[in-house]
Amino acid sequence: KAGVTQTPRYLIKTRGQQVTLSCSPISGHRSVSWYQQTPGQGLQFLFEYFSETQRNKGNFPGRFSGRQFSNSRSEMNVSTLELGDSALYLCASSPEPAVSQNYGYTFGSGTRLTVV
Amino acid sequence: AQSVTQLGSHVSVSEGALVLLRCNYSSSVPPYLFWYVQYPNQGLQLLLKYTSAATLVKGINGFEAEFKKSETSFHLTKPSAHMSDAAEYFCAVSEGNTDKLIFGTGTRLQVFP
Repeated sequence: KAGVTQTPRYLIKTRGQQVTLSCSPISGHRSVSWYQQTPGQGLQFLFEYFSETQRNKGNFPGRFSGRQFSNSRSEMNVSTLELGDSALYLCASSPEPAVSQNYGYTFGSGTRLTVV
Repeated sequence: AQSVTQLGSHVSVSEGALVLLRCNYSSSVPPYLFWYVQYPNQGLQLLLKYTSAATLVKGINGFEAEFKKSETSFHLTKPSAHMSDAAEYFCAVSEGNTDKLIFGTGTRLQVFP
C-alpha cells in the first residue's frame, strides 16, 4: 500500500514567486492536513481538509492557501514567496478526521522549499 | 489554548539504557496526545497515541507512554535503547476536539554504543 506522496521533494524558488505543492494521500484516506516545519518555529499547522472542505486553518497569512480535490488529493499554494517561507512542508492523511475517530495521521516525507 | 512542553531538546543515552523523553501538556478539555518520531530527511511516524481508552499506551518499536492527568504529563519511555532509535521525537496534543495538532519543540535522542 503506497504511503502519502508529496511532490516535488525539493524546490528552489525566488522571492516574489509563487509555488504549488502536491500531496496524494493513502488510497481511501479522505482527510488531509498540512504542516510547516522550520528550525525556528518548529511544526505549525497550516490547514485541514476533508471531503474537499477546509475544516481548520492555522495562523498563516492569506498568501498560504490550499484545496482538496474530489479524489482527496490536495495542493497548497504560497504566493509572493518570502525568505521566511523556506521550510519543510509536510502533508498527512487519515481515513476520516483523525482525532474524532481515534485514528492517527500518516505523514509524507515532505517537500523542502528553499526561497532565495 | 492547548500547548505542549518537551523538557530537554537533546537527550543522550547509551545503547541498552532506559530512554525517557518528557512531555507536559496544557489542555482545558480531556486531550488526545501523540508521540511522533522523525528520522533525518523524512516525515513524521506515529509512535503511539492516547485517546482516553487506557492510561498506559504501548506503541511501535518497544516504546510506551503513560498518561498522568494529575501531573499533566505524557512521558515516552523505552526500557532498552537501540542505535536505530536515534532520531527526533515530537509530542503533540490535539487542539480541542479538532484535528489540529499542536507540537512540542522536539527532543533529539542520541544513542551511544
